[in-house]
Amino acid sequence: DIQMTQSPSSLSASVGDRVTITCRASQSISTYLHWYQQKAGKAPEILIYAASFLQPGVPSRFSGSGSGTVFTLTISSLQPGDVATYFCQQSYSTPYTFGQGTKLEIK
Amino acid sequence: EGQLVESGGGPVKPGGSLRLSCAASDFIFSIYPMNWVRQAPGRGLEWVSSISSSGDNMHHADSVRGRFTISRDNAKQSLYLEMSSLRVEDTAVYYCVRGHGDKTWFDPWGQGTLVTVSS
Repeated sequence: DIQMTQSPSSLSASVGDRVTITCRASQSISTYLHWYQQKAGKAPEILIYAASFLQPGVPSRFSGSGSGTVFTLTISSLQPGDVATYFCQQSYSTPYTFGQGTKLEIK
Repeated sequence: EGQLVESGGGPVKPGGSLRLSCAASDFIFSIYPMNWVRQAPGRGLEWVSSISSSGDNMHHADSVRGRFTISRDNAKQSLYLEMSSLRVEDTAVYYCVRGHGDKTWFDPWGQGTLVTVSS
Protein backbone atom coordinates (compact mmCIF):
# COMPACT_ATOMS: atom_id res chain seq x y z
CA ASP A 1 0.00 0.00 0.00
CA ILE A 2 1.12 3.57 -0.69
CA GLN A 3 1.49 5.58 2.51
CA MET A 4 0.70 9.29 2.44
CA THR A 5 2.29 11.51 5.06
CA GLN A 6 1.15 15.09 5.56
CA SER A 7 2.94 17.81 7.47
CA PRO A 8 2.27 19.62 9.61
CA SER A 9 -0.66 17.88 11.33
CA SER A 10 -1.90 21.24 12.59
CA LEU A 11 -1.15 24.81 11.71
CA SER A 12 -2.09 28.21 13.11
CA ALA A 13 -1.55 31.26 10.91
CA SER A 14 -2.73 34.84 10.59
CA VAL A 15 -5.11 36.25 8.02
CA GLY A 16 -3.10 37.20 4.96
CA ASP A 17 -0.30 34.71 5.65
CA ARG A 18 1.06 32.35 3.01
CA VAL A 19 0.43 28.78 4.14
CA THR A 20 2.03 25.63 2.78
CA ILE A 21 1.07 22.03 3.51
CA THR A 22 3.25 19.16 2.35
CA CYS A 23 2.25 15.63 1.40
CA ARG A 24 4.76 12.85 0.82
CA ALA A 25 4.06 9.50 -0.84
CA SER A 26 5.93 6.33 0.09
CA GLN A 27 6.57 5.66 -3.61
CA SER A 28 6.29 7.61 -6.83
CA ILE A 29 2.70 8.39 -7.79
CA SER A 30 3.35 10.71 -10.76
CA THR A 31 0.64 13.37 -10.41
CA TYR A 32 -2.10 11.06 -9.11
CA LEU A 33 -2.45 13.34 -6.10
CA HIS A 34 -5.48 15.36 -5.03
CA TRP A 35 -6.27 17.81 -2.24
CA TYR A 36 -9.54 18.12 -0.32
CA GLN A 37 -10.88 20.64 2.15
CA GLN A 38 -13.18 19.54 4.93
CA LYS A 39 -14.93 22.14 7.03
CA ALA A 40 -16.35 21.22 10.44
CA GLY A 41 -19.40 18.99 10.19
CA LYS A 42 -19.29 18.87 6.39
CA ALA A 43 -18.24 16.40 3.73
CA PRO A 44 -14.85 16.94 2.06
CA GLU A 45 -14.68 18.91 -1.18
CA ILE A 46 -12.11 18.72 -3.93
CA LEU A 47 -9.72 21.69 -4.15
CA ILE A 48 -6.90 20.56 -6.41
CA TYR A 49 -6.82 17.52 -8.69
CA ALA A 50 -3.93 15.86 -10.48
CA ALA A 51 -1.47 17.74 -8.26
CA SER A 52 -1.86 21.19 -9.76
CA PHE A 53 -5.27 21.71 -11.38
CA LEU A 54 -7.62 24.03 -9.54
CA GLN A 55 -11.18 22.75 -9.30
CA PRO A 56 -13.58 25.23 -10.95
CA GLY A 57 -15.08 27.53 -8.35
CA VAL A 58 -12.17 27.24 -5.93
CA PRO A 59 -10.49 30.59 -5.16
CA SER A 60 -7.25 31.23 -7.01
CA ARG A 61 -5.36 31.74 -3.74
CA PHE A 62 -5.21 27.93 -3.58
CA SER A 63 -2.54 26.21 -5.65
CA GLY A 64 -0.87 22.82 -5.80
CA SER A 65 2.44 21.57 -7.08
CA GLY A 66 4.68 18.53 -7.14
CA SER A 67 5.10 15.18 -8.80
CA GLY A 68 6.59 11.85 -7.89
CA THR A 69 6.69 11.69 -4.10
CA VAL A 70 6.52 15.27 -2.79
CA PHE A 71 3.54 17.59 -3.19
CA THR A 72 2.49 20.92 -1.72
CA LEU A 73 -0.76 22.78 -1.24
CA THR A 74 -0.32 26.53 -0.90
CA ILE A 75 -2.76 29.20 0.20
CA SER A 76 -1.28 32.49 -0.95
CA SER A 77 -3.23 34.73 1.44
CA LEU A 78 -5.09 33.01 4.25
CA GLN A 79 -8.72 33.99 4.72
CA PRO A 80 -11.02 33.27 7.70
CA GLY A 81 -13.14 30.98 5.56
CA ASP A 82 -10.12 28.72 4.97
CA VAL A 83 -10.37 27.29 8.49
CA ALA A 84 -10.70 23.57 7.78
CA THR A 85 -8.86 20.27 7.71
CA TYR A 86 -6.99 19.54 4.49
CA PHE A 87 -6.32 16.04 3.17
CA CYS A 88 -4.19 14.75 0.33
CA GLN A 89 -5.12 11.52 -1.48
CA GLN A 90 -3.38 9.30 -3.99
CA SER A 91 -5.24 7.53 -6.78
CA TYR A 92 -2.19 5.87 -8.36
CA SER A 93 -3.26 2.46 -7.09
CA THR A 94 -5.77 0.82 -4.81
CA PRO A 95 -6.11 0.95 -1.92
CA TYR A 96 -6.55 4.66 -2.49
CA THR A 97 -4.99 6.30 0.55
CA PHE A 98 -5.28 9.64 2.28
CA GLY A 99 -2.90 11.68 4.33
CA GLN A 100 -3.82 12.00 7.99
CA GLY A 101 -4.97 15.58 7.54
CA THR A 102 -3.75 19.07 8.42
CA LYS A 103 -5.98 21.13 10.68
CA LEU A 104 -5.68 24.80 9.80
CA GLU A 105 -6.70 27.50 12.25
CA ILE A 106 -6.55 31.27 12.35
CA LYS A 107 -4.15 32.78 14.89
CA GLU B 1 -22.24 18.95 -11.19
CA GLY B 2 -24.11 16.04 -9.64
CA GLN B 3 -25.66 15.19 -6.33
CA LEU B 4 -25.33 12.13 -4.11
CA VAL B 5 -27.61 11.29 -1.19
CA GLU B 6 -26.80 8.40 1.15
CA SER B 7 -29.26 6.52 3.33
CA GLY B 8 -29.41 3.38 5.43
CA GLY B 9 -27.10 4.25 8.29
CA GLY B 10 -28.01 3.77 11.93
CA PRO B 11 -27.19 1.78 15.04
CA VAL B 12 -26.33 -1.90 14.75
CA LYS B 13 -24.90 -4.50 17.11
CA PRO B 14 -21.50 -6.12 16.55
CA GLY B 15 -21.86 -9.00 14.13
CA GLY B 16 -24.90 -7.42 12.54
CA SER B 17 -25.57 -6.33 8.96
CA LEU B 18 -26.59 -3.14 7.23
CA ARG B 19 -27.14 -1.99 3.66
CA LEU B 20 -26.23 1.53 2.65
CA SER B 21 -27.72 3.15 -0.43
CA CYS B 22 -26.71 6.18 -2.43
CA ALA B 23 -29.04 7.92 -4.87
CA ALA B 24 -27.35 9.84 -7.67
CA SER B 25 -28.90 12.68 -9.63
CA ASP B 26 -28.03 15.43 -12.10
CA PHE B 27 -25.35 13.43 -13.92
CA ILE B 28 -25.07 10.31 -16.09
CA PHE B 29 -24.43 7.80 -13.33
CA SER B 30 -23.64 4.88 -15.64
CA ILE B 31 -20.40 6.36 -17.03
CA TYR B 32 -18.64 7.02 -13.72
CA PRO B 33 -16.82 4.75 -11.29
CA MET B 34 -18.15 5.09 -7.76
CA ASN B 35 -16.68 4.74 -4.30
CA TRP B 36 -17.41 4.52 -0.60
CA VAL B 37 -15.13 6.43 1.78
CA ARG B 38 -15.57 6.42 5.55
CA GLN B 39 -14.50 8.63 8.42
CA ALA B 40 -14.51 7.41 12.02
CA PRO B 41 -15.49 10.06 14.59
CA GLY B 42 -12.71 12.61 14.93
CA ARG B 43 -10.47 10.67 12.55
CA GLY B 44 -9.20 10.87 8.99
CA LEU B 45 -10.57 9.53 5.73
CA GLU B 46 -10.41 5.87 4.72
CA TRP B 47 -11.27 4.58 1.25
CA VAL B 48 -13.52 1.52 1.59
CA SER B 49 -14.60 0.28 -1.84
CA SER B 50 -14.69 1.13 -5.54
CA ILE B 51 -16.75 -0.14 -8.44
CA SER B 52 -16.28 0.44 -12.15
CA SER B 53 -18.89 2.21 -14.25
CA SER B 54 -20.28 -1.07 -15.59
CA GLY B 55 -20.15 -2.81 -12.22
CA ASP B 56 -17.79 -5.49 -13.53
CA ASN B 57 -14.81 -4.58 -11.38
CA MET B 58 -14.81 -4.00 -7.65
CA HIS B 59 -12.05 -3.31 -5.14
CA HIS B 60 -12.26 -3.34 -1.36
CA ALA B 61 -9.92 -2.24 1.41
CA ASP B 62 -8.28 -5.08 3.32
CA SER B 63 -10.11 -3.94 6.46
CA VAL B 64 -13.51 -4.78 4.93
CA ARG B 65 -12.75 -7.43 2.31
CA GLY B 66 -14.96 -10.48 2.78
CA ARG B 67 -17.42 -8.53 4.93
CA PHE B 68 -18.50 -5.62 2.70
CA THR B 69 -19.73 -5.75 -0.90
CA ILE B 70 -20.13 -2.78 -3.21
CA SER B 71 -22.68 -2.91 -6.01
CA ARG B 72 -24.62 -0.59 -8.28
CA ASP B 73 -27.81 -0.44 -10.32
CA ASN B 74 -27.26 1.91 -13.24
CA ALA B 75 -30.92 1.83 -14.24
CA LYS B 76 -31.83 3.15 -10.80
CA GLN B 77 -28.84 5.50 -10.60
CA SER B 78 -27.95 3.92 -7.28
CA LEU B 79 -24.89 2.68 -5.42
CA TYR B 80 -24.97 0.21 -2.54
CA LEU B 81 -22.75 -1.11 0.22
CA GLU B 82 -23.74 -4.38 1.85
CA MET B 83 -22.05 -4.63 5.23
CA SER B 84 -21.99 -7.78 7.33
CA SER B 85 -20.10 -9.07 10.37
CA LEU B 86 -19.90 -5.47 11.52
CA ARG B 87 -17.31 -4.52 14.12
CA VAL B 88 -17.09 -1.64 16.57
CA GLU B 89 -14.24 -0.25 14.47
CA ASP B 90 -16.58 0.06 11.46
CA THR B 91 -18.33 2.93 13.25
CA ALA B 92 -18.00 5.91 10.91
CA VAL B 93 -19.70 8.32 8.60
CA TYR B 94 -19.88 6.62 5.20
CA TYR B 95 -19.64 8.85 2.16
CA CYS B 96 -20.74 7.99 -1.35
CA VAL B 97 -18.28 9.55 -3.79
CA ARG B 98 -18.02 9.76 -7.56
CA GLY B 99 -14.71 8.96 -9.19
CA HIS B 100 -13.88 11.67 -11.69
CA GLY B 101 -11.38 12.05 -14.48
CA ASP B 102 -8.57 9.92 -15.82
CA LYS B 103 -6.79 10.22 -12.47
CA THR B 104 -9.87 9.39 -10.43
CA TRP B 105 -10.28 12.20 -7.96
CA PHE B 106 -13.33 12.17 -5.73
CA ASP B 107 -16.02 14.65 -6.65
CA PRO B 108 -18.70 15.20 -5.58
CA TRP B 109 -19.23 13.71 -2.13
CA GLY B 110 -22.56 12.91 -0.55
CA GLN B 111 -23.45 14.34 2.85
CA GLY B 112 -22.65 11.02 4.53
CA THR B 113 -24.59 8.54 6.62
CA LEU B 114 -23.52 7.52 10.14
CA VAL B 115 -23.13 3.86 11.01
CA THR B 116 -22.75 3.14 14.72
CA VAL B 117 -21.71 -0.36 15.75
CA SER B 118 -22.19 -0.84 19.46
CA SER B 119 -23.56 -3.40 21.87
